[in-house]
Amino acid sequence: EDQVTQSPEALRLQEGESSSLNCSYTVSGLRGLFWYRQDPGKGPEFLFTLYSAGEEKEKERLKATLTKKESFLHITAPKPEDSATYLCAVQAWYGQNFVFGPGTRLSVLP
Amino acid sequence: EAGVTQSPTHLIKTRGQQATLRCSPISGHTSVYWYQQALGLGLQFLLWYDEGEERNRGNFPPRFSGRQFPNYSSELNVNALELEDSALYLCASSFESVSSYNEQFFGPGTRLTVL
Repeated sequence: EDQVTQSPEALRLQEGESSSLNCSYTVSGLRGLFWYRQDPGKGPEFLFTLYSAGEEKEKERLKATLTKKESFLHITAPKPEDSATYLCAVQAWYGQNFVFGPGTRLSVLP
Repeated sequence: EAGVTQSPTHLIKTRGQQATLRCSPISGHTSVYWYQQALGLGLQFLLWYDEGEERNRGNFPPRFSGRQFPNYSSELNVNALELEDSALYLCASSFESVSSYNEQFFGPGTRLTVL
């Protein structure tokens, strides 16, 4: 069974304090790993897709990396507006469903 | 380009009633996914429709059902509402292709409250 775990559950950072969020997964044949950002009461916003181990993607202060067992979302010099829940999801080649992790709730304090 | 739209934004029902939620996908997307997100919980997969057919469903009872119309819009029906059905219901759309990677794009959600 495909599984996704995320750590930490919650993270509080000071503005400018860089850190990383972890997404660990087990899937038989990874088709894609996806990162989303979700603000309270809203739909998730697509950030990145990673396809193969060693791949990296960047967007503003965010950088996502992928290994065979986990993905990291690095946040460099975060700002209060980066506060949100960050969700990780995987899709296997043999199925179309996304399996989402529970998310990491990030708070960036000014 | 318009994103995924959902209606209504909020829906209040009483236990035992039926609820109908609607979703319009991004133009050109043929697949629609429905998810349930209860307060403080993660996204739970409900249903996947592609080209008008139900392709897969999550671990939910049969009173959760839906359909996809010829224009690829979709509706989710929840019968015999229970208190625990209160949640944010999210719709996502994607362009399905075995040769491409199909990110899902989400709508703003419908907040269903069952009293």
